[in-house]
Amino acid sequence: NFMLTQPHSVSESPGKTVTISCTRSGGSIAYSYVQWYQQRPGSAPITVIYADNQRPSGVPDRFSGSIDRSSDSASLTISGLKTEDEADYYCQSYDSTNHVFGTGTKVTVL
Amino acid sequence: EVQLAESGGGLAQPGRSLRLSCAASGFTFDDYAMHWVRQAPGKGLEWVSGISWNSGSIGYADSVKGRFTISRDNAKNSLYLQMNSLRDEDTALYYCAKDTKFHYDSSGYYDYWGQGTLVTVSS
Repeated sequence: NFMLTQPHSVSESPGKTVTISCTRSGGSIAYSYVQWYQQRPGSAPITVIYADNQRPSGVPDRFSGSIDRSSDSASLTISGLKTEDEADYYCQSYDSTNHVFGTGTKVTVL
Repeated sequence: EVQLAESGGGLAQPGRSLRLSCAASGFTFDDYAMHWVRQAPGKGLEWVSGISWNSGSIGYADSVKGRFTISRDNAKNSLYLQMNSLRDEDTALYYCAKDTKFHYDSSGYYDYWGQGTLVTVSS
């Protein structure tokens, strides 16, 4: 089994850019795709990035994803930060039999 | 419109059982894998179990293996989670989630989620 570790929280002002990391321990980040989910308080999660860097229709292009094989990590970048982006964000990936979520990051828009 | 509606949650004593259901509509149910994901109060998301389109592949998190059983009835467009030997740490909001692929253990992701059903395990 593997784990995905995220920073507990990040904060930034409106209009700025935040980047959330997701580090895989117990295997290469490139082994399987990474997804990112946004969860606002009291709501079910929604997908903002799938397959490392793909955006579902309806997700603004302010959201982007990438992976870094050298550090076995994935990143979610939110540019042009808006108050509506304030939420918890979770990375997620899988191995041959299990799906794993990251520890979650709370994004606060100051 | 895709809809996933969970039911069956409630209060159960430790060691007892509950059966969760998820009624799906708005898509061809037997074309997709399905999952259960839970979230303990104030905590993060935890994948519980996944099942492929034809029930041919099934997986469980280590935390529930041997106690929980996932199943589906494609004729009824329904997903189930039988939860036995419940523990305090099973207390959570349980979400039903649709995969984008046939098989739960492939390169899909969760594209639709229900609103969840709350399970509370307490004596």
